[in-house]
Amino acid sequence: GENVEQHPSTLSVQEGDSAVIKCTYSDSASNYFPWYKQELGKRPQLIIDIRSNVGEKKDQRIAVTLNKTAKHFSLHITETQPEDSAVYFCAASRTGGTSYGKLTFGQGTILTVHP
Amino acid sequence: KAGVTQTPRYLIKTRGQQVTLSCSPISGHRSVSWYQQTPGQGLQFLFEYFSETQRNKGNFPGRFSGRQFSNSRSEMNVSTLELGDSALYLCASSRGTAVYEQYFGPGTRLTVT
Repeated sequence: GENVEQHPSTLSVQEGDSAVIKCTYSDSASNYFPWYKQELGKRPQLIIDIRSNVGEKKDQRIAVTLNKTAKHFSLHITETQPEDSAVYFCAASRTGGTSYGKLTFGQGTILTVHP
Repeated sequence: KAGVTQTPRYLIKTRGQQVTLSCSPISGHRSVSWYQQTPGQGLQFLFEYFSETQRNKGNFPGRFSGRQFSNSRSEMNVSTLELGDSALYLCASSRGTAVYEQYFGPGTRLTVT
């Protein structure tokens, strides 16, 4: 089955710096890659996603890049703010077939932004 | 549009008991997926339901089961609870035509003593 590795497990940055979180996946048939942000005691919140027919996607200060050949994708947060502090999860999935409704998650990255 | 809701939010049960958790998806969403979240194992997929049918199942023992009703609301049941079942149980809904864009509920925190 699919396996997703996420690095680093913790990331500490100063306010205004950029943060990058990287994930690799094992199933070459995976074609959907979402990122979730989970604040302490709250639900995972979908912040951005990318599909395999796109190499990069941006939404304000957040961007995701995908390298299908190398089977890795990354989350980039620019101009970080203290409210960006949270646990970030990457996930991978193939749509349809025997993978209905299943996201395989990385282990998470604890991002701390220091004022 | 209202988000995904889950009830109850917190539960304390004793080993050997059973428990039923409920999930109401976003209006118009027909797919409900369930996940178990623990500090050690992270987020793990339990199963997915679409139009009252289980379409996919993760690697959990048969003590974990679920169902979906005609209004897309879903329940999951855990029988013969074990200490290791203590976790945050999250459900997520999507339109169901693909796995795209899953939105999570707040979760049910289950503690087994």
